[in-house]
Amino acid sequence: GAGVSQSPSNKVTEKGKDVELRCDPISGHTALYWYRQSLGQGLEFLIYFQGNSAPDKSGLPSDRFSAERTGGSVSTLTIQRTQQEDSAVYLCASSRDRTRGEQYFGPGTRLTVT
Amino acid sequence: DAKTTQPPSMDCAEGRAANLPCNHSTISGNEYVYWYRQIHSQGPQYIIHGLKNNETNEMASLIITEDRKSSTLILPHATLRDTAVYYCIVTHNTNAGKSTFGDGTTLTVKP
Repeated sequence: GAGVSQSPSNKVTEKGKDVELRCDPISGHTALYWYRQSLGQGLEFLIYFQGNSAPDKSGLPSDRFSAERTGGSVSTLTIQRTQQEDSAVYLCASSRDRTRGEQYFGPGTRLTVT
Repeated sequence: DAKTTQPPSMDCAEGRAANLPCNHSTISGNEYVYWYRQIHSQGPQYIIHGLKNNETNEMASLIITEDRKSSTLILPHATLRDTAVYYCIVTHNTNAGKSTFGDGTTLTVKP
C-alpha cells in the first residue's frame, strides 16, 4: 500500500519567510511524528500526535515552529520567520498507534533557508 | 529512554554477515530495542525490534544478551544496497514517538 508521503520534496525560502510542510501518513495510522535532521546529524524529535489527544510538543525548538493535524490524518508543520539554522531535512513518520514503535518514515522535505 | 552506544563505522564484505553491535547498559525492564537504517538521502526504515528474546524477520536477526545490556543486529548476507547508517534505539513502547536517534553506525558493504 501507499507509504508516508511528504510535500514539497525540496523547499528554498528566504530568511524571514514562513513555510508549510505537509505530511500524509499511512492510512489507518493514528500516531504521527515530525523529526528534523541537519546535515550529517541524527534525527531530532520535534512533535508527536496520537489520535485526538493533545500533541506532545516537547521537541519544538522555538515558538516559531508549530504543527497541526487535521481530521486525524494529514499534518502540516509550519515554520514562521525562517532562519538559516532551520535549514535541514524535515522527516515525518507514522505508526499504527502509540503502543507500536515501528515508525514508517516519509522521504522528507529538504528545507534551505537563504 | 536508555542511552545507546554504537561504533561510528564498520565495513563488511559483500555476501558476508554484517554484525552491528549496540550497548544499552541502562536499559530498563520494559524498554524495547529497535533498529532502523537510513540509506543516503532517504527516510529511516524500520528493521526489527525485540524485548528479551532473539528475533528474526526477512531483513535481519536481532540477538539480545541475557542481561539485555547489549544487542547485535545481524544482516546474514550483506549486499551493496545494505550500505547505510544503522540506528539502535531503546524506548518504552508507549513512548516510542520520542525515540532519540543517535549518530548510529555507518555500515559500508564492499565488493
